[in-house]
Parts: sequence; C-alpha cells; structure tokens
Amino acid sequence: GAVVSQHPSWVICKSGTSVKIECRSLDFQATTMFWYRQFPKQSLMLMATSNEGSKATYEQGVEKDKFLINHASLTLSTLTVTSAHPEDSSFYICSAVGSSYEQYFGPGTRLTVT
Amino acid sequence: AQRVTQPEKLLSVFKGAPVELKCNYSYSGSPELFWYVQYSRQRLQLLLRHISRESIKGFTADLNKGETSFHLKKPFAQEEDSAMYYCALRRKGAQKLVFGQGTRLTINP
Repeated sequence: GAVVSQHPSWVICKSGTSVKIECRSLDFQATTMFWYRQFPKQSLMLMATSNEGSKATYEQGVEKDKFLINHASLTLSTLTVTSAHPEDSSFYICSAVGSSYEQYFGPGTRLTVT
Repeated sequence: AQRVTQPEKLLSVFKGAPVELKCNYSYSGSPELFWYVQYSRQRLQLLLRHISRESIKGFTADLNKGETSFHLKKPFAQEEDSAMYYCALRRKGAQKLVFGQGTRLTINP
C-alpha cells in the first residue's frame, strides 16, 4: 500500500529558530502533497497545497513567508517553519496524493517551540 | 464554499449497540464524500468513500443528497471501533479535502 513518512516525528526548538519537516511518499510518486495543522482535539486545518516543481498554494490566513514549502521531487515535500514562536507549536500532518486522487497521510510531526 | 459539519464532538455507546456518526455538508455542486478514521496514536486513514458503496469493518454510509448528509453507521459496535472519525468532502475532479470537526467515538465494554 501507499506509505507516507514524516521526519522528524517530534521536535523541540527555541523561539526564533527555524524548523524543517520532511514528508516523503515511500512507494509512489506524488505531484501533489498537502500540509495540515491539527490543534489538540480539533480537526485538520489545511495550510497549503504543495505542487512538485511549482510554488505552493496557501490557504487564506496562512503566512507563506512563515511556512515555507518546497516540493523539489516527486517523493519529497518540506515545510519549514521560520522564526518559530510558541504559538506555532502544533501537530503538522502531510498527505500525498496517489492514484485516483486518494490522499495518504503521514504520521504527523509534533512541534514544540519553547 | 464547501463545508462539512459533524454535530457531535463526542459519542459514547455500549459494545454491541448500534452507532451512527452524523455528517452534513453544504456544497452546491456534485460532492464526493469520505469517512476517515484515526485510531489512538495512528495516522489518519481512509475508512470508506461514498462512490464505492462498500462496507468496511461493518461500517456503511449512504449519501443522501436531499438531506445533504453522509452519516456513518454500524449495527453492532465493537470496542476496537473507538477512534476519532472525520467526515470529508471533495469537489469532483479536485484533490483538496474539506474536513469536518471530527467525532470521538468511545465504545464502552
């Protein structure tokens, strides 16, 4: 089956530093990946659509300079949280679109900014 | 704009009892509806989609366009059904999903 991995699974960083999260499709190619944010006991909030070889499309209210997305290959998208602050602490989930437009989700990355 | 509403944040039923998780949507076009499940400490995974008309793990869901609903049902709940359930909508031909707020289902022994 289609597997999506995320790295790291959790990260703690100091306020003001940047953190990069990787999302990989392990056994299939994905021209499109999505990045979500999930607050405790809440639903997934779509942040952006990551398109291989082109700029990401951000949802309304998501700062593109704050959350940098790079989709340099058909199996890898990265999300960089720049100048992180405590309010950026959250669970970040990616998904990769396989055949039939089905989304396969990664296990998530818990970011804690101190 | 598309919207998905799951009116119950929490639902608790006893093992063996029927369970129904409600999902209503608003979308003027032709939607594709899905149910996703997230078991404790696991990733989100697709449970079923309306176009397949399938039964997965005893769960079924019927798209009711008149009532704009896609409720998830199971006649006899099992303890392993305890999880977070999300209803999601997708425009036909699109890739983006719109999720509901989720319902945490707890099956009591």
